[in-house]
Amino acid sequence: DAGVIQSPRHEVTEMGQEVTLRCKPISGHNSLFWYRQTMMRGLELLIYFNNNVPIDDSGMPEDRFSAKMPNASFSTLKIQPSEPRDSAVYFCASSLNTQTSGSLDEQFFGPGTRLTVL
Amino acid sequence: KNQVEQSPQSLIILEGKNCTLQCNYTVSPFSNLRWYKQDTGRGPVSLTIMTFSENTKSNGRYTATLDADTKQSSLHITASQLSDSASYICVVSAQRGSYIPTFGRGTSLIVHP
Repeated sequence: DAGVIQSPRHEVTEMGQEVTLRCKPISGHNSLFWYRQTMMRGLELLIYFNNNVPIDDSGMPEDRFSAKMPNASFSTLKIQPSEPRDSAVYFCASSLNTQTSGSLDEQFFGPGTRLTVL
Repeated sequence: KNQVEQSPQSLIILEGKNCTLQCNYTVSPFSNLRWYKQDTGRGPVSLTIMTFSENTKSNGRYTATLDADTKQSSLHITASQLSDSASYICVVSAQRGSYIPTFGRGTSLIVHP
């Protein structure tokens, strides 16, 4: 398996532009997570999906952020309009969630997308 | 409020030496604690996971301990190697079924030859 695939790996954009980050989870995994990592705040969970359904988006910073998972093999995180404070590394992770193991499921992270908003 | 505090923030050691990283948490009710290793420019990779009933777990040269009473965990690295240079992140999850983990800020470890 190729692992979690994220694209692009690097994105540089200007303030006000729309940014779309993409993620392909590991085949067979049914949970998908979007994280943001900065030096100041560390890793933060933005949103997670289970069976393509958003379960908790309480970590999404504001309405400028939106995430979709149209099918089991693809998810997007969109920022519109982007701001310099959105500059961070965005990680996507997936796991195989079973009813009994819950939070014991290991999450497998992608390589991340480094976003720079000028 | 659930919190995870890690110390030290950064650590520099010589190759071959041992080191111990600390993690204190206030997450309740506790379900499990996981240590991740994050190499520069890459995503975190799980090293160990510990549940309430476990107090020691090893993964090669990495040994994690858990004291659920004092809400403390440590990650001990034995005979460090240059490849151990990375950020080590402590993550605590509350109760079975919860997918909202609480992350520590990580300890940055540098191993010098």
